[in-house]
Amino acid sequence: GAGVSQSPRYKVAKRGQDVALRCDPISGHVSLFWYQQALGQGPEFLTYFQNEAQLDKSGLPSDRFFAERPEGSVSTLKIQRTQQEDSAVYLCASSLVWGRINNEQFFGPGTRLTVL
Amino acid sequence: QQQVKQSPQSLIVQKGGISIINCAYENTAFDYFPWYQQFPGKGPALLIAIRPDVSEKKEGRFTISFNKSAKQFSLHIMDSQPGDSATYFCAAGDNQGGKLIFGQGTELSVKP
Repeated sequence: GAGVSQSPRYKVAKRGQDVALRCDPISGHVSLFWYQQALGQGPEFLTYFQNEAQLDKSGLPSDRFFAERPEGSVSTLKIQRTQQEDSAVYLCASSLVWGRINNEQFFGPGTRLTVL
Repeated sequence: QQQVKQSPQSLIVQKGGISIINCAYENTAFDYFPWYQQFPGKGPALLIAIRPDVSEKKEGRFTISFNKSAKQFSLHIMDSQPGDSATYFCAAGDNQGGKLIFGQGTELSVKP
């Protein structure tokens, strides 16, 4: 079956523009995660959904970042008034459930955002 | 307290050799320790994972060693192959937050 897909794969934005990044998780996966990966660094947690509920948004760097998953499937990460420091790869991951029994997170290929 | 520290930053190994990557953590609430492999332009992919109730887990050429008292864990790649050349990340998670805390990554290069 299909894995996690993300679109667009590449996005160039001018400073101050708003962007929207889309994630299609694996069908039936309850949990969905967003991570930010700066060049040469490990992914850093942004936010987590269980179905449509956003259970943890502690990693969002500012109120310019907003994520939603209204129907418990596709998720969108929106960044308002983009800044150069927002340039990074944005990774989406999904897992069947989250808990002691099953933790494997399946990652998408990421969206590389470049803010000029 | 949330950090996971990974070393070395880069590693060069000859084909057939053993690659060893180390990680250390502080938060004793972590109870899930996966290793991810990432190729350029791709997302991370789970390689192997361990829980702290065992000290070692082996899957093929990949072994995780876990030292709970020292709060350290390591990845060993036996008989390293050029196709193993990639960036490796350790991570840690718990059952409460649903998030993984990643190390800084190790860029492995296996020379033929």
